[in-house]
Formats: sequence, C-alpha cells, structure tokens
Amino acid sequence: DIQMTQSPSSLSAPEGDRVTITCQASEHIFEYVNWYQQKPGKAPKLLIYDVVKLESGVPSRFSGSGSGTSFSFSISSLQPEDVAIYYCQQYSSLPLTFGGGTNVEIK
Amino acid sequence: EVQLLESGGGLVQPGGSLRLSCEASGFIFSNYAMSWVRQAPGKGLEWVSVITGTSGATYYAGSVRGRFTISRDNSNNTVSLLMKGLRADDTARYYCVKDGCLGGACYSERLDHWGQGTVVTVSA
Repeated sequence: DIQMTQSPSSLSAPEGDRVTITCQASEHIFEYVNWYQQKPGKAPKLLIYDVVKLESGVPSRFSGSGSGTSFSFSISSLQPEDVAIYYCQQYSSLPLTFGGGTNVEIK
Repeated sequence: EVQLLESGGGLVQPGGSLRLSCEASGFIFSNYAMSWVRQAPGKGLEWVSVITGTSGATYYAGSVRGRFTISRDNSNNTVSLLMKGLRADDTARYYCVKDGCLGGACYSERLDHWGQGTVVTVSA
C-alpha cells in the first residue's frame, strides 16, 4: 500500500497568513493526488484534484503543487471559515490512501 | 445537484452483519464509480471499497476483504455495502462517495461528492 505522510498534524496561524501542508508519498505517484477539507461535524469536501486543479466553486486562495512523491497544499490568506482538517489522498493505485490529516486553526 | 443518502447504520454485536445502502440522485448513476469511505471516531479517513461504473468491478481494502461486499443497482440508483463478521474496529461513520471516474474500468480519479454518512457501532 502507498503511505501518505502528511505534516504537520496541526497548525495555528493568524487570519490572513499563508499556510502550507505537505504530503510525502512512499512511492512515485505521478500527479494522482487530491486534497479534501473536513469541517467539524461535516463530510469531507473535495478542494483540489490532480495536484493543482481547483474543484468548481472552491476559492482561489486554495492551491496545490508537487509531483512524484512530494506534494503541498496552501491557503494563501487564512480565513476563519477555513478552520478544518485537511487530508491529502492518492489514487495512483488501490487501495486509495489518505494522509493522516492536518488540523488547521486560527491563532 | 448531486445527492447521496446513506442508510442502514446502527448498533450490532461483534460477528454480526449489517447492510448499508446509499441512494443517489442528480447525476447519471450508472456511469460513475462509487466508493465507501469510513471514519472511526476521532480518526482519519479510510477507504473501504469501490465499484466501478459500467463494468461493475469491485475492489476492497485489505482490512475488509472477504467480509464486506459492495454492489450496485443501476436501475434504482443505489449502492450497497454488505458487512459480515463485524469487529469492534469496524466502528465508524461510513460515507457513500461518488467518484469523478467515468465509465469502463476506471476505479478512481477523485472523490467528488460525499454523503453525510451513517454510523455503525460494533459492540456487545
């Protein structure tokens, strides 16, 4: 199985700051990476797919980058409504696997 | 608008069985792969199983292979997960998820729509 190592596990930053989350895959997964947001008590929501593509309706302050085994997800200007847990996920091969999640809070 | 409505969760004893169902609407159901993803209390996301669109091929996580069976009824726009031999570590919220993977043997591209989930508790 492909392991997705996500870091940090949690972060706290002031409103308006840029925050970045990284995800390291245990093997080469090309650009088969997606990112999800899960707000408290809610189902996950797809934000970014294929590393860089923004899902319809998702604000442009969210972005992704990377290839091969190293990937990152950024929020350019952190907003109160961005408080959530963020997960990376690979679909290069089954089983689909997720990172452990990053809990993002406002300082 | 895509809607996914899960049902069938509940409390079951270890070793018991449960069938989860998911009713889908708002898209051409038969064209898309459908997955189940679970989340244990306070934990992260774990993919469980997928059934492809038109070919109906099935795949499972190692932790459930041989105990769980995914199926779909394209005439009724439903996907089901039959769970047997349930264990305490199967306790989780189970999400029905539509994939952006269209047709054929494609198993996954992106999990683009999620239901609200149904809770399964395995306990004596």
